[in-house]
Amino acid sequence: QVQLVQSGAEVKTLGASVKISCKASGYTLSDYYIHWGRQAPGQGLEWMGIINPNGDFTTYAQKFRGTVTMTSDTSTNTVYMELSSLRSEDTAVYFCARDGGVNYRQDAFDIWGQGTLVTVSS
Amino acid sequence: QSALTQPPSASGSPGQSVTISCTGTNNDIGGYKYVSWYQQHPGRVPKLLIYEVTRRPSGVPDRFSGSKSGTTASLTVSGLQAEDEADYYCGSYVDDNTFVFGGGTRLTVL
Repeated sequence: QVQLVQSGAEVKTLGASVKISCKASGYTLSDYYIHWGRQAPGQGLEWMGIINPNGDFTTYAQKFRGTVTMTSDTSTNTVYMELSSLRSEDTAVYFCARDGGVNYRQDAFDIWGQGTLVTVSS
Repeated sequence: QSALTQPPSASGSPGQSVTISCTGTNNDIGGYKYVSWYQQHPGRVPKLLIYEVTRRPSGVPDRFSGSKSGTTASLTVSGLQAEDEADYYCGSYVDDNTFVFGGGTRLTVL
């Protein structure tokens, strides 16, 4: 079935980087954009950025420009999100989600990964 | 980009209707049809309820409906059921090619 499977939980120290993978199955990765976001404990959803897995388009939320990088590898049907210079406020569940538009951006997240907990500690 | 504005809480009795608002600006909700709504139960992944302001994915009950007027989008849940108790988030495309979520509304079924 169509699904996104993310890599496992991470524990990082202050100032480190984390790279999370999101592997697509059941559909052609390059046909749909992928969004990344996060949810801090007890907080709401926060959008981080979007990537066209073809590699010709990425856009990041202003807050994360300079610290986030989204990449893709269509040979393995996987997209990646790397966040650097981690702070304690970056402790959150990070998620990838498929944009529902086929070869266009619809800005609706129809398939979600299971989430990856990143804990940043000193 | 500031989060879209949602009321922190809403409530209704079983069988009633509840409407949740989501207010933005002309740079997001007011300028585009790309407004979506999500339902999130505790400890679960969000689920898409509404996309492009009014459209429902297959499998979403028609008790859930969306609308928009100016810079405010709304989600109406009709015929409230116990399982509708959850957090609800709106989201919108923004004119700088980004996206923004609302702060979320906790719906309580009394």
